[in-house]
Amino acid sequence: DAMVIQNPRYQVTQFGKPVTLSCSQTLNHNVMYWYQQKSSQAPKLLFHYYDKDFNNEADTPDNFQSRRPNTSFCFLDIRSPGLGDAAMYLCATSGGAGGTTEQYFGPGTRLTVT
Amino acid sequence: DQQVKQNSPSLSVQEGRISILNCDYTNSMFDYFLWYKKYPAEGPTFLISISSIKDKNEDGRFTVFLNKSAKHLSLHIVPSQPGDSAVYFCAATTLTQSTGNQFYFGTGTSLTVIP
Repeated sequence: DAMVIQNPRYQVTQFGKPVTLSCSQTLNHNVMYWYQQKSSQAPKLLFHYYDKDFNNEADTPDNFQSRRPNTSFCFLDIRSPGLGDAAMYLCATSGGAGGTTEQYFGPGTRLTVT
Repeated sequence: DQQVKQNSPSLSVQEGRISILNCDYTNSMFDYFLWYKKYPAEGPTFLISISSIKDKNEDGRFTVFLNKSAKHLSLHIVPSQPGDSAVYFCAATTLTQSTGNQFYFGTGTSLTVIP
């Protein structure tokens, strides 16, 4: 089945130790998104890629970076995780501009910072 | 600034009755609205959507109503079933964006359907 895959599902990292979360998709969608979701809050958009064009949200901290080496893969790098970065990180895809009508989400990666 | 708001964090409904989940938005540029359902330890899954040119869309037990003048939409589930117990997110977007749609989410409403 075509899907959005996130690895790992659970990630524990130490305060200040860089961590990378990964997302892959078999939907061949040209838009990929990274969201951060904390408990009882709305998913917050960090970045999105339209093909290789990178779109950074204005309030996304510099501590967060992203890479999209090809259509299928997208990575979220947290350079120096703080305790406040503990959250669920959701990757999503959509078909592109104009006719895009929905997003497809991965199961998320739960990040714990110790 | 939260552009999509779900003011009820939780809702409990008896099985077989109607569940009504509400959502308000502030951005008049939004022209497409979606509801997602999320179970624990899973990502949100698409449930139903509505374009701003319509005021109602129905899919089985699920109906979404849109009131553009009030910037309000609601999701009706009837009859409610225990398997509907989940967190429901309202989302909005503008389909005319050329760089990939940005979707704005509400904080979610946790629905519990009591058997």
